Amino acid sequence: GQQLNQSPQSMFIQEGEDVSMNCTSSSIFNTWLWYKQDPGEGPVLLIALYKAGELTSNGRLTAQFGITRKDSFLNISASIPSDVGIYFCAGAPRNGGATNKLIFGTGTLLAVQP
Amino acid sequence: ETGVTQSPTHLIKTRGQQVTLRCSSQSGHNTVSWYQQALGQGPQFIFQYYREEENGRGNFPPRFSGLQFPNYSSELNVNALELDDSALYLCASSSLAGGLNTQYFGPGTRLTVL
Repeated sequence: GQQLNQSPQSMFIQEGEDVSMNCTSSSIFNTWLWYKQDPGEGPVLLIALYKAGELTSNGRLTAQFGITRKDSFLNISASIPSDVGIYFCAGAPRNGGATNKLIFGTGTLLAVQP
Repeated sequence: ETGVTQSPTHLIKTRGQQVTLRCSSQSGHNTVSWYQQALGQGPQFIFQYYREEENGRGNFPPRFSGLQFPNYSSELNVNALELDDSALYLCASSSLAGGLNTQYFGPGTRLTVL
């Protein structure tokens, strides 16, 4: 199935470090979303972005909707052990028609060492 | 506010059997989307229901079918199960007011096909 290009695939960092991950697409998206998923659980919505250039924060998390509408990034500042998990980007394609489907990235596994 | 709930949590079936998974949307949400997440992958869109009608479908065969009820809850039915159907099945709900692309996920149903 279709997936967005997400990088890095995994990150192993020390507690307190900042983290950055991004997502790119070959097509234009109307909405970008970032989710966190713990093992065996459903994805939890972290941040939603609706306009090109939009920069939105949620606590230590900051995400931006790329100007070209084909990319997005997520930054986590001052990481803590509970940030561990898999982070997914997801986008709603402009050519999705009446269907509000989301296309997901390949995921970034984040491990934080105390 | 009640979040998205799914049942059952886990299910084991044998090849060729049929299965029904259930989802209750978040209160105030009238749109339900279903996704399949294979191990190590991002979720893949199966289909979406709005006003009890299918509102778009991903690249899944007809043996994947669904229903939405007047209270906006939904079912996913899979006939003639195959080994590759083993996955985490996720339900997500959204609303026009909150943005149909802004989807909130349930905890998922883990289906194992033997």
